[in-house]
Amino acid sequence: EAGVAQSPRYKIIEKRQSVAFWCNPISGHATLYWYQQILGQGPKLLIQFQNNGVVDDSQLPKDRFSAERLKGVDSTLKIQPAKLEDSAVYLCASSPWQGAGNEQFFGPGTRLTVL
Amino acid sequence: TQLLEQSPQFLSIQEGENLTVYCNSSSVFSSLQWYRQEPGEGPVLLVTVVTGGEVKKLKRLTFQFGDTRKDSSLHITAAQPGDTGLYLCAGPSNDYKLSFGAGTTVTVRA
Repeated sequence: EAGVAQSPRYKIIEKRQSVAFWCNPISGHATLYWYQQILGQGPKLLIQFQNNGVVDDSQLPKDRFSAERLKGVDSTLKIQPAKLEDSAVYLCASSPWQGAGNEQFFGPGTRLTVL
Repeated sequence: TQLLEQSPQFLSIQEGENLTVYCNSSSVFSSLQWYRQEPGEGPVLLVTVVTGGEVKKLKRLTFQFGDTRKDSSLHITAAQPGDTGLYLCAGPSNDYKLSFGAGTTVTVRA
């Protein structure tokens, strides 16, 4: 079974530029998560989708971050414009169904450096 | 605010030694998960503990959930270089959302 795919793996941009990340979850997984992991910290949930609907985006900085999962499969996360403090690893995860006690399957992440 | 506090933050030991890492909270959790994250990879689930006092073993790894369900520990016996990684505990902050601790970085030297 193929795992969660993410691209690109690495991205370096200057502040105020835009960037987009892509995630393809495990086939059949209805729940998709985007996390931000700053160096030295655990992953922080940015947004959670159930199929193509948003379950939680309370910690998404909506003035600069946006995410979509139009067909309930793959998803994109965009930052526009980027700030220095956005430097982090962006992890995508998926789960067969909604529920905090369920196992989440993570992709390898995209390491973003904002200069 | 971190609901889950992990300690120590860093741990470096020699191959063959034992180690224990801790995950503590002031809140009661219905379950706790432990993940291991290797450099350049995403976290991978090791175990889920759901009952207070529960002990689960995974080869040389022993996980314990505290009786009050506010804390958990991970003990590794005879650590090997392959055990190197970031160990994260995570617990539900509501019915659908998982909150992670900051993790313990474990380095096992050959």
